[in-house]
Amino acid sequence: KQEVTQIPAALSVPEGENLVLNCSFTDSAIYNLQWFRQDPGKGLTSLLLIQSSQREQTSGRLNASLDKSSGRSTLYIAASQPGDSATYLCAVRGTSGTYKYIFGTGTRLKVLA
Amino acid sequence: NAGVTQTPKFQVLKTGQSMTLQCAQDMNHNSMYWYRQDPGMGLRLIYYSASEGTTDKGEVPNGYNVSRLNKREFSLRLESAAPSQTSVYFCASSGTYPYEQYFGPGTRLTVT
Repeated sequence: KQEVTQIPAALSVPEGENLVLNCSFTDSAIYNLQWFRQDPGKGLTSLLLIQSSQREQTSGRLNASLDKSSGRSTLYIAASQPGDSATYLCAVRGTSGTYKYIFGTGTRLKVLA
Repeated sequence: NAGVTQTPKFQVLKTGQSMTLQCAQDMNHNSMYWYRQDPGMGLRLIYYSASEGTTDKGEVPNGYNVSRLNKREFSLRLESAAPSQTSVYFCASSGTYPYEQYFGPGTRLTVT
């Protein structure tokens, strides 16, 4: 059974710092991995999706990497800003023929001005 | 494009009451999902619909029913609400490969 873990659960950093958020999964047979951002009281916004054949994806100050063999993905945020404060979640979709995504419990990020 | 829409945004029910949460997407996606989000538990899949006319149970289906009314709409029904169903409910949809998921704004449900 696929399990997705995000550590740490919470993180505070000063503005301008580069930071890395981690996502680990137990079954390397995945179709893709998706990173989301969730602001308090809001829905999830898709940030980046990495297909199983890809090693990384970039969007602006965000870079997500995928290492299937080790069951890990990282989300790198460059030059963090207070507006980046949110909860970041990762989700993986397996290759078992279902359409299910398994989510991690998220990392709550606070960027201090 | 509105993306994924959900109604209502907030709802308070008494134990035993029933209600239907509505979800619609305008992206012509085949697959639609219902999740619940609880503190410390993350998002858990209740039901999903891989395509119009099909529905399947997710991780926590007990106490819920769903209907895929057409390609656009996927509803979630609570027949007899219980306090354990107090949660935030999200609808999502995804299209063809690479199956990127898009989420609605959520429904905050309280059962007293």
